Order: sequence, then C-alpha cells, then structure tokens
Amino acid sequence: KNQVEQSPQSLIILEGKNCTLQCNYTVSPFSNLRWYKQDTGRGPVSLTIMTFSENTKSNGRYTATLDADTKQSSLHITASQLSDSASYICVVSDRGSTLGRLYFGRGTQLTVWP
Amino acid sequence: EADIYQTPRYLVIGTGKKITLECSQTMGHDKMYWYQQDPGMELHLIHYSYGVNSTEKGDLSSESTVSRIRTEHFPLTLESARPSHTSQYLCASSEQRPSQGGTDTQYFGPGTRLTVL
Repeated sequence: KNQVEQSPQSLIILEGKNCTLQCNYTVSPFSNLRWYKQDTGRGPVSLTIMTFSENTKSNGRYTATLDADTKQSSLHITASQLSDSASYICVVSDRGSTLGRLYFGRGTQLTVWP
Repeated sequence: EADIYQTPRYLVIGTGKKITLECSQTMGHDKMYWYQQDPGMELHLIHYSYGVNSTEKGDLSSESTVSRIRTEHFPLTLESARPSHTSQYLCASSEQRPSQGGTDTQYFGPGTRLTVL
C-alpha cells in the first residue's frame, strides 16, 4: 500500500473556479511535505514545501495546508486558469536517512476547461 | 526553471539495443537521481548519486546502470533494452538546504519517454 494517497484521482473544473486536492500519508517519521506540479510530458516542478511546524504555505494562487496530527494535506487552487491543467503530486519526506527518502503519491490529474 | 537537461526527449528503439539516456545539470548540485514513472503511477527511485564516483541503487530494482564521472553529468544505460523497459525516465538533482527540514528540494529534468518495441 502506498504511504501517500491522493484524492481525487482526476478532477475537471471550469476556468475561474476554485478546487481543493487532498493528500493523506502514513510516512513516519515525518520531515516535510511538498506539492509538485507536473505538466504533461514534463518533469515535476515544486510548488510548496512545509515542515511539521508549518500548517499553511502559499505560492500565488496555490495554498497548501498541513495537519501533521491527522497526517493530511490539501492544495487549494484559487481562480483556476487553463494553464493549471496538470498532475499535482504530493511528496512526503522522512527523517530516516541522509537521503531523506521521498514518498510520492500518484497525483491528481486536474483539467481546467474554458 | 531549473537548469537540468535530458536527452533525448523521446526514444523509440528495438529490443536488444543498447541505449544511454543523458542527464546534465549546471547548478553544481552534488546529488542526482533517476526516477521511473509509468502513466498514472507514482515516481519510483531507481538510482541516485551523492557525488562524483558515488552511485547507489534506489527503491525499485532496475536493470539499468549509471555512472557519475563528472558532477554535472549522470547518464543512465540499458545494455539490452526490452519492452518491459518502456516508461518515462526522469532525472533530478538537489542540494541540501537545512532550512527545509534537512532534506532537499529536487529539481527535475523534462524526462525521456522511452518505448522499446
């Protein structure tokens, strides 16, 4: 079972609308959580990073929240644009090694329609 | 935009051929990584390197090999490609930032889409 679960698997919204993507994880011990955006045929690009002491982080129209007690995170996108169409990947890092092993979710595929 | 490059972007090749996927970065990062990603699935780490002459296998077993002779260059080689190797291969690099909980932000290349017929 994947230690990082994302929902929904896919989502279609109209341009200008808001949406929220969910990430639940079981990774322990916890170091930090990142949200990446991956455009089709491209590599992932980091949007936000949060450590256990942070419960919200914004990057423009993207706002991520973290509840380390319930091991849940969300990514809220405000006033969606066509360019927001992409896969959004939740990535959790543990403290287990110098490498800081990363656990990847399968992503939420967001499609924004005009 | 990260300064990490992968070539080729797309490769279609026959079974049994030897291939090398190139990855280079100009950020001076010591750490580099190779991931394999199938459609709709999570990224799986197949190789990583902490620096020159350092290479390690990742979580997912892979028949590929890597080398790190120069800091900026981390090529991946398949000696004999098979259809099961068909996938997207993503290269990444990072440097450690203590302010980020002691783990790194990885910068990804655009990926190589490999198809083995």
